[in-house]
Amino acid sequence: ETVMTQSPATLSVSPGERVSLSCRASQSISNNLAWYQQRPGQAPRLLIYGASTRATGIPARFSGSGSGTEFTLTISSLQSEDFAVYYCQQYHKWPPFTFGQGTMLEIK
Amino acid sequence: EEQLEESGGGLVQPGGSLRLSCAASGFIFTNHWMHWVRQVPGKGLVWVSRINNDGSDTSYADSVKGRFSISRDNDKNTVSLQMNSLRVEDTAIYFCARDYWYFDLWGRGTLVTVSS
Repeated sequence: ETVMTQSPATLSVSPGERVSLSCRASQSISNNLAWYQQRPGQAPRLLIYGASTRATGIPARFSGSGSGTEFTLTISSLQSEDFAVYYCQQYHKWPPFTFGQGTMLEIK
Repeated sequence: EEQLEESGGGLVQPGGSLRLSCAASGFIFTNHWMHWVRQVPGKGLVWVSRINNDGSDTSYADSVKGRFSISRDNDKNTVSLQMNSLRVEDTAIYFCARDYWYFDLWGRGTLVTVSS
């Protein structure tokens, strides 16, 4: 099983700041990585797939990078609606499809 | 509008059974694999099961293998999850999700509570 590890667990940031979230895979997953945003009480929403391709309708302030085992989601200027939990997920080797444990962005 | 809507959640005793359904609309259902993903409230996402386009191939997480069964009805655009021998640790919100290798469309989820 490919274990996905996200860091940090919680990040306290101010609106307008730039933030980078990290995701590490226990083995190489090429670029077969997705990022999701989950706001409280809502379903997850796809942000990024293929490690760096924004999903339809996702603002340009969200960007993804990385390949192999190290990946980053960057939000260039945090808006109030961006405070949420972010998950990475690998779809390179399955089953199982595996998620990271999530990074919560909270308002400083 | 592309949409997934889950139903069938509720309270069930340990050892009991429950059948979840997910109705798809607004897209060509037979073009996609479908998945179930669960989430204990306040915790992370855990993949449960997947089914291919015509229902001939399925996969399960080890934690549910032998107890859960996924199926689909392509005439009704629905995917189901039959859950047997339920355990307290199966308590979670269950989401259905559309596959594009990643999960590009999610339902709002249905809550399953396993408790005596």
